[in-house]
Amino acid sequence: ETGVTQTPRHLVMGMTNKKSLKCEQHLGHNAMYWYKQSAKKPLELMFVYNFKEQTENNSVPSRFSPECPNSSHLFLHLHTLQPEDSALYLCASSLPGEGTTEAFFGQGTRLTVV
Amino acid sequence: LAKTTQPVSMDSYEGQEVNITCSHNNIATNDYITWYQQFPSQGPRFIIQGYKTKVTNEVASLFIPADRKSSTLSLPRVSLSDTAVYYCLVGLDTGRRALTFGSGTRLQVQP
Repeated sequence: ETGVTQTPRHLVMGMTNKKSLKCEQHLGHNAMYWYKQSAKKPLELMFVYNFKEQTENNSVPSRFSPECPNSSHLFLHLHTLQPEDSALYLCASSLPGEGTTEAFFGQGTRLTVV
Repeated sequence: LAKTTQPVSMDSYEGQEVNITCSHNNIATNDYITWYQQFPSQGPRFIIQGYKTKVTNEVASLFIPADRKSSTLSLPRVSLSDTAVYYCLVGLDTGRRALTFGSGTRLQVQP
């Protein structure tokens, strides 16, 4: 248990559906991240939020829409996805500062687009 | 961000010491070196972090030479449960740009 909770753990959705992934942390961290990990591939950074402000969007298609209402919660809204978007979506949080590079990851949401 | 190079895969047997070396020739003065472990279908887990010389915790040791252009993660007496992918990251978490994961080293421990 890392203190970062993602829901749901598994999600199957059709290409015309709209769904949302949720991430929650109560570690006092102010930076939160979304990563995508496709089968047997490295983690790909999608979005970075620091103090609720989006500081990085790594050329992610607009069918992925992040939302960070406060420093403890992060959402990833999904709509009209493609089968190639099937992957493990990981949320992480950290407390940025000099001398630390430790991010805490959630268990991930295994997404299957059919 | 400094680029890292590490072996794609390694094999070992239970009870052996495993050393995984990572090259990071372009490491910046303020960068820290961090290692993560990832099991299948789980998020990465922080193992150890260092800036220079040697760091040891209950899980692993991290050796960093004086020029800091490489680092070696040492896992003492591995067990089957240490089978995982190990990532070497170099950088500093500023909250404005996340650390980038490379391809990692897939460690397979056999009985």
